[in-house]
Amino acid sequence: EAQVTQNPRYLITVTGKKLTVTCSQNMNHEYMSWYRQDPGLGLRQIYYSMNVEVTDKGDVPEGYKVSRKEKRNFPLILESPSPNQTSLYFCASSLSGTAYHEQYFGPGTRLTVT
Amino acid sequence: GQQLNQSPQSMFIQEGEDVSMNCTSSSIFNTWLWYKQDPGEGPVLLIALYKAGELTSNGRLTAQFGITRKDSFLNISASIPSDVGIYFCAGQRADKLIFGTGTRLQVFP
Repeated sequence: EAQVTQNPRYLITVTGKKLTVTCSQNMNHEYMSWYRQDPGLGLRQIYYSMNVEVTDKGDVPEGYKVSRKEKRNFPLILESPSPNQTSLYFCASSLSGTAYHEQYFGPGTRLTVT
Repeated sequence: GQQLNQSPQSMFIQEGEDVSMNCTSSSIFNTWLWYKQDPGEGPVLLIALYKAGELTSNGRLTAQFGITRKDSFLNISASIPSDVGIYFCAGQRADKLIFGTGTRLQVFP
């Protein structure tokens, strides 16, 4: 089954404790992206990757890092989480960077930072 | 970062009613997309629009790409309980996808 998977689905952590949210897709997609969703603000792009070893900042990259060493994986790293990073996070992928209409979303990761 | 203005923020309607929501921007987009998000899940694409003035239907859903390329609307006809969810518009320009703030739809039997 074609899908985007994220782990963990739920995470509660404390300020300053490094964490990684994994994202994996099995569709051989070139483009992958991370979004955060906050009430009243919709989805805002954090980082995106047009292909392996190519990553770029989205609209809200501060406090986040990403890497794209393999085509299928695009982990989101919070080196020193803070409470304002409490949010619902979505990973997404599409065939290419120009085919956004084919963007598939993962099920989401709800992160709480205390 | 830029966001799209989407209205209304929420709607409470009775089953069988028609629904309209729209999205506006101060910038031009090349593509307009409409997504639906069910509780506890990620957004799912409903309709994609590629040309100014384009009117596209998907079952009971109809969406239009505004002539100015700065707006789009989505209509849902004869709503049913499973239409409940959050609807997002999104505009695409170059390699960026910008989302609206969402319209939360509640349908009562």
